[in-house]
Amino acid sequence: AQSVTQLDSHVSVSEGTPVLLRCNYSSSYSPSLFWYVQHPNKGLQLLLKYTSAATLVKGINGFEAEFKKSETSFHLTKPSAHMSDAAEYFCVVNSGNTPLVFGKGTRLSVIA
Amino acid sequence: GAGVSQSPRYKVAKRGQDVALRCDPISGHVSLFWYQQALGQGPEFLTYFQNEAQLDKSGLPSDRFFAERPEGSVSTLKIQRTQQEDSAVYLCASSSNSPVGWDEQFFGPGTRLTVL
Repeated sequence: AQSVTQLDSHVSVSEGTPVLLRCNYSSSYSPSLFWYVQHPNKGLQLLLKYTSAATLVKGINGFEAEFKKSETSFHLTKPSAHMSDAAEYFCVVNSGNTPLVFGKGTRLSVIA
Repeated sequence: GAGVSQSPRYKVAKRGQDVALRCDPISGHVSLFWYQQALGQGPEFLTYFQNEAQLDKSGLPSDRFFAERPEGSVSTLKIQRTQQEDSAVYLCASSSNSPVGWDEQFFGPGTRLTVL
């Protein structure tokens, strides 16, 4: 069985400050992990993915995430928030031949 | 090129009505997925097609839900005798490869279904 826990339902940061969105996962097998972003009235867009290569993964728009097996975590970070980063973010896990399992999402607000 | 499209974007149904939601995947994509996203929740898997074959329908919540992809391209999700708990955004995604989940899934904008 697989599951994902996004530890914060809402995160608010000031523009230009760092972003940290936390995610913990549970998986019986070596997982693939993803972060997706969902802007209002738009489709989900893949930010980055981890598939057992380098543990520090770089994605689009300056986001990155680090896979930490010992902590079963895959937190998403960005050094400096931009207004356009305001959206809903989903951490996603998948193992082998199984469907994607989404977390409940974290809403990121960016304050000018 | 065109992404995944879904129609209608919004659908209001009276309880008990049947609805049909359409998904046009990216041309040439082998795999097609349907998800249900309730308000304030993450998407939940409903069903998966590889070409025209429905390989996994374990996420369909009841026998009122039915999906098809007869020619391996366009897919339709049908909900019979809609109930208020069916109100959600229905997302379609496609990817170029199988097996499930290994390749990036490209999502459509979704159909927001409201059952009154």
